[in-house]
Amino acid sequence: GENVEQHPSTLSVQEGDSAVIKCTYSDSASNYFPWYKQELGKRPQLIIDIRSNVGEKKDQRIAVTLNKTAKHFSLHITETQPEDSAVYFCAASLSNTDKLIFGTGTRLQVFP
Amino acid sequence: NAGVMQNPRHLVRRRGQEARLRCSPVKGHSHVYWYRQLPEEGLKFMVYLQKENIIDESGMPKERFSAEFPKEGPSILRIQQVVRGDSAAYFCASSPGKGVNTGELFFGEGSRLTVL
Repeated sequence: GENVEQHPSTLSVQEGDSAVIKCTYSDSASNYFPWYKQELGKRPQLIIDIRSNVGEKKDQRIAVTLNKTAKHFSLHITETQPEDSAVYFCAASLSNTDKLIFGTGTRLQVFP
Repeated sequence: NAGVMQNPRHLVRRRGQEARLRCSPVKGHSHVYWYRQLPEEGLKFMVYLQKENIIDESGMPKERFSAEFPKEGPSILRIQQVVRGDSAAYFCASSPGKGVNTGELFFGEGSRLTVL
């Protein structure tokens, strides 16, 4: 079955710096890779996603890159702000199902 | 449009009691997923259902746990004879399903179960 690994588990950055979170997946048939942000006590919310026919996608301060050959994808947050502090989860799903397998999460802290 | 609605938001049970968690998907969504999140951990897939069908229950413990998504009404996650290790946040998510294939799951706010 699909397995998703995520690193680092915690990440602390100074406000204004960049943050990078990396994930690897095991099933080469995976074709959809979303990133979710979860604030304390809240539900996970989609922040950006990428499909396997695209190598990079950007939305303002966040971007995601995908390397299908290496089976890894990354989240990049530039000009971090304190409100970016949360737990971020990567996920992967197969083409014939909406079932998502999540990584273990990265707790991002942005210090002012 | 209302999002995914879960209730109760908080539930306290004593060991051996039953817990029933309910989830109403986004209107028009036919697929429901249940995930479990232990404190300080990630989201673990439990079960994937369509109306009146269990599609994938590979993440569901073999005993004490069951799920349904009837033709009418919300999806129910039922945990019988709860133990302390069942204490967790249980998140429900819905999607439009195949044919629409947006891939995005819409999550509810979760039901936090505490077993005393």
